[in-house]
Amino acid sequence: AQSVTQLGSHVSVSEGALVLLRCNYSSSVPPYLFWYVQYPNQGLQLLLKYTTGATLVKGINGFEAEFKKSETSFHLTKPSAHMSDAAEYFCAVSEGGTASKLTFGTGTRLQVTL
Amino acid sequence: KAGVTQTPRYLIKTRGQQVTLSCSPISGHRSVSWYQQTPGQGLQFLFEYFSETQRNKGNFPGRFSGRQFSNSRSEMNVSTLELGDSALYLCASSDLKANTEAFFGQGTRLTVV
Repeated sequence: AQSVTQLGSHVSVSEGALVLLRCNYSSSVPPYLFWYVQYPNQGLQLLLKYTTGATLVKGINGFEAEFKKSETSFHLTKPSAHMSDAAEYFCAVSEGGTASKLTFGTGTRLQVTL
Repeated sequence: KAGVTQTPRYLIKTRGQQVTLSCSPISGHRSVSWYQQTPGQGLQFLFEYFSETQRNKGNFPGRFSGRQFSNSRSEMNVSTLELGDSALYLCASSDLKANTEAFFGQGTRLTVV
């Protein structure tokens, strides 16, 4: 069975600072990995995904993540935080080569301060 | 293309009642998945439908059921509502030919009183 662990339920950074949100996964087969963002009372928006190929994945809004198989990690980073990045972020894994059944982490709420 | 549409956005029901939620996927997407989001349990997979057949099912009681129509629209039904069923229910659609992304609707906020 697959699982996802997100370290840190709340992360606070200053505007302009580096954002680092941690995600570790467990999967018995090569995983597909995703980061989603959720704003209050909204659905989930895909930031980026890893399926195969290049391990450094670039997404929307300046976010990127690196798939490290040896560390079973898929941490999300952004060089410079913006106030509009304040939201909840979810890491997810799927097996079987589709995105139709996702296992999510518990989420990390990102706060951005002036 | 229009996104995933879920109706209604908000719903208040009484314990013991039943409820039906609707999801219209992105045009051309044949896979529809449902998730429950609560503060305590987070995001949990309910079930997935593809071509009117349930392909995957999560660990939820039989009170939770769903179906998919020939136009790929999907409904989920919860019978005999309990207070713990209060949650944000999210629907996602996927194009399994492209394989690699699930698009989410804005969700239906269900409150059971």
